Amino acid sequence: KAGVTQTPRYLIKTRGQQVTLSCSPISGHRSVSWYQQTPGQGLQFLFEYFSETQRNKGNFPGRFSGRQFSNSRSEMNVSTLELGDSALYLCASSGSVGEKLFFGSGTQLSVL
Amino acid sequence: GENVEQHPSTLSVQEGDSAVIKCTYSDNASNYFPWYKQELGKGPQLIIDIRSNVGEKKDQRIAVTLNKTAKHFSLHITETQPEDSAVYFCAASGDTGTASKLTFGTGTRLQVTL
Repeated sequence: KAGVTQTPRYLIKTRGQQVTLSCSPISGHRSVSWYQQTPGQGLQFLFEYFSETQRNKGNFPGRFSGRQFSNSRSEMNVSTLELGDSALYLCASSGSVGEKLFFGSGTQLSVL
Repeated sequence: GENVEQHPSTLSVQEGDSAVIKCTYSDNASNYFPWYKQELGKGPQLIIDIRSNVGEKKDQRIAVTLNKTAKHFSLHITETQPEDSAVYFCAASGDTGTASKLTFGTGTRLQVTL
């Protein structure tokens, strides 16, 4: 069974640009969560989606948004990029809301 | 909100020895506590988890203990091997009581030397 797939693996952007990251959950999983990982702040929860609806949200500004499609695939978008947005963005899937999380390898975003 | 503290930040043990990593949490409502292992260039991998209605759980060389009164939980790895070298994260559920919206500790870098 394939794991959680995140694309692209690496991304370089400049300040002010926007970026879209993609996540395909484990087959049959219907819930997708996103986390930001940085050396300074560690792993922080961004949001959780289930059945195309946002179920939970972390303490990030409105520049961070996401969505989930009918096939459970998810995207997250960051607008007006700042240097501090440089991080590893991790997607995790679970069978349903609140069940065990399985992470992908992440997208490493660098903002110059 | 939930706050999770994790110690130590680095841990070096010899192959075959045991390793213990400790975490404390703040939210009384937390009742789900997973542990993740992260290797270089990879995402966190769930290695074991425990719910608050259980005091201890074991899976081969890995065990987790939970003291809900004191609000702390620990990861125990016995007979460590070089492939156990990685960064380990504890997490707590907060008031969701589930794996939704996990709060993570700051990580422990475990080095197993030959």
